Amino acid sequence: EVQLVESGGGLVQPGGSLRLSCAASGFTFSSYWMSWVRQAPGKGLEWVANIKKDGSEKYYVDSVKGRFTISRDNAKNSLYLQMNSLRAGDTAVYYCACVYGMDVWGQGTTVTVSS
Amino acid sequence: DIQMTQSPSTLSASVGDRVTITCRASQSISKWLAWYQQKPGKAPKLLIYRASSLESGVPSRFSGSGSGTEFTLTISSLQPDDFASYYCQQYNSYEGLTFGGGTKVEIK
Repeated sequence: EVQLVESGGGLVQPGGSLRLSCAASGFTFSSYWMSWVRQAPGKGLEWVANIKKDGSEKYYVDSVKGRFTISRDNAKNSLYLQMNSLRAGDTAVYYCACVYGMDVWGQGTTVTVSS
Repeated sequence: DIQMTQSPSTLSASVGDRVTITCRASQSISKWLAWYQQKPGKAPKLLIYRASSLESGVPSRFSGSGSGTEFTLTISSLQPDDFASYYCQQYNSYEGLTFGGGTKVEIK
């Protein structure tokens, strides 16, 4: 079964850091570009970051540039999102997704930034 | 950056109604347009890809059309399970995805 499973969400204070992980299974992870997408409470979907199959290219939405880092470990079939200098506006459900060439989404992990 | 303008933001309809949602891209995206359905607390579910291709397992009452900058999602006969939010998404470039603002389909 093709599957993505996120973990690492939680409650963090403003200015804090969090690292999200996404475990892939059931497909050749190293063959696909991967993405992080988030959804703030009651709001729409917002793309956060993309990473190339081999990790050599990375792209970010302007609001997270310099604060978030996307990475992957193809040997572990895993995707990551390191989030630093977190703000209240980063509060959201974070999904990892494979939408280029196929369509698979995780169930999401919730990040709450609050004091 | 490509912007996606989706309308309407809310739609009230009855079971059996024909429903149309539109999405406009700020520049041509050829047919690199997908439509998703999302229910509360769940991940988005792919309905249509490449603007008009129906995802496997999705009922045939869903259809998509368009290319370039103008796209449409049509539900030919609204069913109770279809009351949800719908999003268009452009995936024309690996440099980023853009979603429309969403359409909430409510019971009239």
